[in-house]
Amino acid sequence: DTAVSQTPKYLVTQMGNDKSIKCEQNLGHDTMYWYKQDSKKFLKIMFSYNNKELIINETVPNRFSPKSPDKAHLNLHINSLELGDSAVYFCASSQRFSRGYGVYGYTFGSGTRLTVV
Amino acid sequence: QKEVEQNSGPLSVPEGAIASLNCTYSDRGSQSFFWYRQYSGKSPELIMSIYSNGDKEDGRFTAQLNKASQYVSLLIRDSQPSDSATYLCAVNGRGDDKIIFGKGTRLHILP
Repeated sequence: DTAVSQTPKYLVTQMGNDKSIKCEQNLGHDTMYWYKQDSKKFLKIMFSYNNKELIINETVPNRFSPKSPDKAHLNLHINSLELGDSAVYFCASSQRFSRGYGVYGYTFGSGTRLTVV
Repeated sequence: QKEVEQNSGPLSVPEGAIASLNCTYSDRGSQSFFWYRQYSGKSPELIMSIYSNGDKEDGRFTAQLNKASQYVSLLIRDSQPSDSATYLCAVNGRGDDKIIFGKGTRLHILP
């Protein structure tokens, strides 16, 4: 029973197209994330939602729009895809500390390898 | 800008030896520290969490934290070829909802 599942696993598309990636977690976590891993394997945060509320929005082009219909789901829509968007996109989930601010370690999805041609 | 620094490697270690991976971080207020293992083409997998100074052992893995020196390390005893992977150090700052990752150290265990 997959804890954090992402679809699709691979996505090959032409420049200028619009595409979406979906993520679902069944761990009961309250916080979900999108990370981008570039060709040099560096993981960089893009967005985070806590209980459907956007709490982190890093410097990401506004062609990227996340949506969280409920705390178990987080989607990423990308408009007008560019060559530089090619990367692996990881969804992750975690739980906030019950006291104070901070999060426990993430559980990652299997990733979506996006190739823009 | 909060940063997490790791030597990119590759670090080559003979099978059966101890592999030692190191990490430094810039935010003195950081409160939680993690080591992830990532095999090529796979997602990162959490292998150790450490929250207070000292050592934490789990099987063949030992995480070491020194907050005064802003230094985290991971020791892998009796290294196996299956330990060959990229190891990511990650840090959660106090009052922060996100984890910042280092660029990873590639570890190669020589049979």
